[in-house]
Formats: sequence, C-alpha cells, structure tokens
Amino acid sequence: EAGVAQSPRYKIIEKRQSVAFWCNPISGHATLYWYQQILGQGPKLLIQFQNNGVVDDSQLPKDRFSAERLKGVDSTLKIQPAKLEDSAVYLCASSQLAGLFFGPGTRLTVL
Amino acid sequence: KQEVTQIPAALSVPEGENLVLNCSFTDSAIYNLQWFRQDPGKGLTSLLLIQSSQREQTSGRLNASLDKSSGRSTLYIAASQPGDSATYLCAVRPSYGQNFVFGPGTRLSVLP
Repeated sequence: EAGVAQSPRYKIIEKRQSVAFWCNPISGHATLYWYQQILGQGPKLLIQFQNNGVVDDSQLPKDRFSAERLKGVDSTLKIQPAKLEDSAVYLCASSQLAGLFFGPGTRLTVL
Repeated sequence: KQEVTQIPAALSVPEGENLVLNCSFTDSAIYNLQWFRQDPGKGLTSLLLIQSSQREQTSGRLNASLDKSSGRSTLYIAASQPGDSATYLCAVRPSYGQNFVFGPGTRLSVLP
C-alpha cells in the first residue's frame, strides 16, 4: 500500500511570494488533513477535508492560506503572500477509520 | 477543550536501557490514542494505535498502555538502541470529534 505523497519536499521563498504544496493521500482514505509544524512543537491542524468538503478550517489563516480538494482525492495548500512566520514544515495526513498516516512533509523557509 | 502534554521534553539514556515516555490528556472522552515517531526533517511515522476500549498495544520492543480514567498513556521502549533516537509524539482523538490533538513531543537520544 502506497503511503501519503507530498511535494515538494523543500521550498525556499522570499516574503510576500506565493507557494503551493501538493498532497496525495492513501488510496481510499476519505479524510485528509493539512498540519503546520513549527520547530519544537507538535503539529497544528490547518484544515480537514472529508471527501471534497471542508470539515474544519477554524485555524486556517484565511487571509493568506487557501486549500482545496476538488475531486476528493489529492489536495493543494497555497500561501499567498507568505510571511516570515510561515516558515515551518507542512504535513499532510489521511485517515479512514482510526489512525492518522502522514506524508514526509514539506519544509518551507521564508526569507 | 482537550489538552495533551508530554513529560519530559527531552531524555538522554545509554544504549540498552529500558525507558518510559509519558503522555497526559485532560479529557477522558477519547476515541483512540496514537503514538508517533518523528526523525529530524521528516514526517510522522505511526508506531502504535490504542482504541479507547483497549488497555495496551505491543509492537516489537514497543509497548503502549492507556489508562483513560487517569488521562495517561505510556510508551515503553525495551533495550533501547541508538536508532531509536527521535522525537516521540502522542495524539488523542476525542470521542466527540474527528480532529486529533497532539502533544509537543519528547526528544529521545540513545547514546552508544
């Protein structure tokens, strides 16, 4: 069984630029999550999808972050414009019945 | 609101020691609890998942226990090895929702 795929693995941008991350969950997993993890902290939920609908985006900074999962499979998270404090690892995870399964993450550095 | 804490924040042990990592949560109404391992710069790897009806789960040298009434879970690592060095996080899924709540993690160093 293939795991959760994410790309790119690393991204360096300057502040005020835009960036997009892609995630492909485990086949058949209806629930998809995007997390932000700052160094030394646990992951913080940004948005949760159930199929192609948003279940929880209460912690997503909607003035600059957006996410979509148009066909209920893969998903894209976008930041526009980026700020210095957005430097973090962005993790995608999927879930079917019980536990969470994570992708390798994308490390974003904003200069 | 569910809160998850992990103590200690960091732990250093010599190779071969048995060790225990702790995870505490404030609300006992949970659906399950999951332990993860995270290597530097990498994503989270699932180690063990304990359903609310279970008391423990085992995988190789790892054993996780769950005591809902006291709001605690422990991860026991037997005969630690340098390759076990990583950050270990626990996450709780409340029974009233779908979102997982993460602890901050314990950074483990096993010295050769």
